[in-house]
Amino acid sequence: GENVEQHPSTLSVQEGDSAVIKCTYSDSASNYFPWYKQELGKRPQLIIDIRSNVGEKKDQRIAVTLNKTAKHFSLHITETQPEDSAVYFCAASYNNDMRFGAGTRLTVKP
Amino acid sequence: DAGITQSPRYKITETGRQVTLMCHQTWSHSYMFWYRQDLGHGLRLIYYSAAADITDKGEVPDGYVVSRSKTENFPLTLESATRSQTSVYFCASSRVSGSDTGELFFGEGSRLTVL
Repeated sequence: GENVEQHPSTLSVQEGDSAVIKCTYSDSASNYFPWYKQELGKRPQLIIDIRSNVGEKKDQRIAVTLNKTAKHFSLHITETQPEDSAVYFCAASYNNDMRFGAGTRLTVKP
Repeated sequence: DAGITQSPRYKITETGRQVTLMCHQTWSHSYMFWYRQDLGHGLRLIYYSAAADITDKGEVPDGYVVSRSKTENFPLTLESATRSQTSVYFCASSRVSGSDTGELFFGEGSRLTVL
């Protein structure tokens, strides 16, 4: 089955700086790559996603890039704010079998 | 709009006991999922279901049983609970159909402790 690796496991940035989280996947059949944000004690919620026919997608301060050849994708958050502090999960999916990375705990220092 | 709800939210049980976690969604979503969340492992897929009476194993199905007699319900049963099944369990649903994949909507989670 699909295996998703996520790095780094923890990331600390100063408010206003950018944050980058990287993921790799193993199954070349995977065609959907979402990113979820989970605040402490809450449920995961989708923040952005990308499909395999697209190389990059942006939504205000967040962007995701996908390199199908290398089987890796990344989340970029610009102008980070304290409310961006959370755990972020990447995932890869084919035919609704969705597998998640282990998560990155992002801390934004004011 | 209740969305997707899980019960119980918290459960303490003993090794060897049977436990059922309930999941109910009001959106008539076709797909439903069960994940467990453990520190250092992220979210691991236990089982998922494409529709009533259709279920598939995920990454970590051993020790779990699921059923889906109605579209809106997807209970997860631990037939003989073990300490290693202590975890937070998340149910999720997705409105996609067929082989398409889309956003998962998660329930609030059920925290299970096996003593």
